[in-house]
Amino acid sequence: DAGVIQSPRHEVTEMGQEVTLRCKPISGHDYLFWYRQTMMRGLELLIYFNNNVPIDDSGMPEDRFSAKMPNASFSTLKIQPSEPRDSAVYFCASSLTPKRDEQFFGPGTRLTVL
Amino acid sequence: DQQVKQNSPSLSVQEGRISILNCDYTNSMFDYFLWYKKYPAEGPTFLISISSIKDKNEDGRFTVFLNKSAKHLSLHIVPSQPGDSAVYFCAANMNRDDKIIFGKGTRLHILP
Repeated sequence: DAGVIQSPRHEVTEMGQEVTLRCKPISGHDYLFWYRQTMMRGLELLIYFNNNVPIDDSGMPEDRFSAKMPNASFSTLKIQPSEPRDSAVYFCASSLTPKRDEQFFGPGTRLTVL
Repeated sequence: DQQVKQNSPSLSVQEGRISILNCDYTNSMFDYFLWYKKYPAEGPTFLISISSIKDKNEDGRFTVFLNKSAKHLSLHIVPSQPGDSAVYFCAANMNRDDKIIFGKGTRLHILP
């Protein structure tokens, strides 16, 4: 298996622009997680899905952030409009079950908002 | 407020010596703990875990110790090797929840 795939790997955009991050989970994994890593806050969970349904989005910072999972093999995280404070590395992870099984992370997308 | 705390942002250890990474948690409902390792430009990868019914779990050079009364766990790496240089994240989970809560990470430097 190719593992969790994220695109793009790097994104540089200007403040106010829309940004869309993409994720393909490992086939057969029922759970998909979006994380953001910053120096100040470390690795924080933004939202997660179970069987394509959003379960908990309490970590989404504000309404500018939205996430979708239209099918079992694809998810997007969108920021509109983007701001400089959104600059971070965004990770997608998937797992069979989250409670005791490990989560498999993608390589991340490094987002820079100028 | 951080429920999982890694108070040392970085740690330097001589190659061959023991590396000890510490983690504290505040939520007594956590009953499962994990360590993840992260290299630059890669996603975190699972390293080792421990259930709250145990106080120690060992896997090769890696041992995790859990002190429930102190709400503290530690990861020991013996002997430390150059490839161990990475960021280590402590994480915790409670049985009734699907989420894993991560700490901020500790950057480990193994010195030659």
